[in-house]
Amino acid sequence: DAGVIQSPRHEVTEMGQEVTLRCKPISGHNSLFWYRQTMMRGLELLIYFNNNVPIDDSGMPEDRFSAKMPNASFSTLKIQPSEPRDSAVYFCASSLFDRGNQPQHFGDGTRLSIL
Amino acid sequence: KQEVTQIPAALSVPEGENLVLNCSFTDSAIYNLQWFRQDPGKGLTSLLLIQSSQREQTSGRLNASLDKSSGRSTLYIAASQPGDSATYLCAVSSGSARQLTFGSGTQLTVLP
Repeated sequence: DAGVIQSPRHEVTEMGQEVTLRCKPISGHNSLFWYRQTMMRGLELLIYFNNNVPIDDSGMPEDRFSAKMPNASFSTLKIQPSEPRDSAVYFCASSLFDRGNQPQHFGDGTRLSIL
Repeated sequence: KQEVTQIPAALSVPEGENLVLNCSFTDSAIYNLQWFRQDPGKGLTSLLLIQSSQREQTSGRLNASLDKSSGRSTLYIAASQPGDSATYLCAVSSGSARQLTFGSGTQLTVLP
């Protein structure tokens, strides 16, 4: 089975440009998470969707960040305008949210560099 | 607010040694605890998940334990191999969204 698929793998762009990161969760999973990893802060949760609905976006750092999940198989994380401090690795993860405990499965991440 | 701490931050051992990685968390109201492996430039691979009602989980040479009341977990790796070299991350699931809170990781190097 295909895992969580993220694109692009690498993105280098200039400050002020719009950046869109994409994620395809594992088929059948109904929860999707966006994380950011930096050396200084480690892995942080940005936003969480359940059944395509944003449940908790308290981790989104600023209004420059937005995320959507138009359907069960696709999500985007957008940064507009981008700044050098947004440089990080962005991970998408999915899981099956039920009464039990299911592991989160991570994509390979998008390494973002803002010049 | 949940906080997760991992010690040591880095560990270097000769091949064949058994080793223990430690994880502690501040809020015992968790759903589960996961151990992940991260290779350089790669994503996270889930190694073991321990539900809050469980005490341990085993997979091959890996054994993870959970003491929820004391807020501690350990990951035991038996007969370490150079291929085990990676960063190991502990994460606890808590809160209404069952979001994961990660520790800062232990960077493991197994020397041949």
